[in-house]
Amino acid sequence: AQSVTQLDSQVPVFEEAPVELRCNYSSSVSVYLFWYVQYPNQGLQLLLKYLSGSTLVKGINGFEAEFNKSQTSFHLRKPSVHISDTAEYFCAVTHLFNQGGKLIFGQGTELSVKP
Amino acid sequence: DTEVTQTPKHLVMGMTNKKSLKCEQHMGHRAMYWYKQKAKKPPELMFVYSYEKLSINESVPSRFSPECPNSSLLNLHLHALQPEDSALYLCASSQGHGSSYEQYFGPGTRLTVT
Repeated sequence: AQSVTQLDSQVPVFEEAPVELRCNYSSSVSVYLFWYVQYPNQGLQLLLKYLSGSTLVKGINGFEAEFNKSQTSFHLRKPSVHISDTAEYFCAVTHLFNQGGKLIFGQGTELSVKP
Repeated sequence: DTEVTQTPKHLVMGMTNKKSLKCEQHMGHRAMYWYKQKAKKPPELMFVYSYEKLSINESVPSRFSPECPNSSLLNLHLHALQPEDSALYLCASSQGHGSSYEQYFGPGTRLTVT
């Protein structure tokens, strides 16, 4: 069985500061990893995904994440955040043999960017 | 067009009412999903349709009844709901039902059961 742990439920940060949202997973097989963002009163939007290949993945809105197999981590980073990045961020995992593409979500991290 | 649309945006219903949620996509995707999301929680998978056939039912109570009339449409029929069913209901679609396919989410229907 897989699981996902997002290590911080809330991350407050000042505008233009760097940010890292942490995600650890557990799985006995190779995984696919995703980061989604949910703005208030909206659905989820895919930020980036790791399927295979380069462990550094670049996504939309200036976000990137690094897959670390030995640490079983997939942390999300942005070098300089904006007020508009205030949102809930979900890390999710699935694997090759997962029927129906079922995603296992972490509990979410609320990013709050202050002026 | 990478949009998944959902109607209505908001729905208030009594416990004896029957209502339906609608989801539509025109991306040619062959898998569609219903999720339930409570406040400050991640989405919980309810149903998956693959090629218009129900492939996953996550032990959802029978008061929720999904329907996939064609490859672009997904409905969720609601009957005799409980107040604890109040939540944001999200629809998603993906190119296929394999794990590597990203899911595109709609904006959701905010359901309140009174």
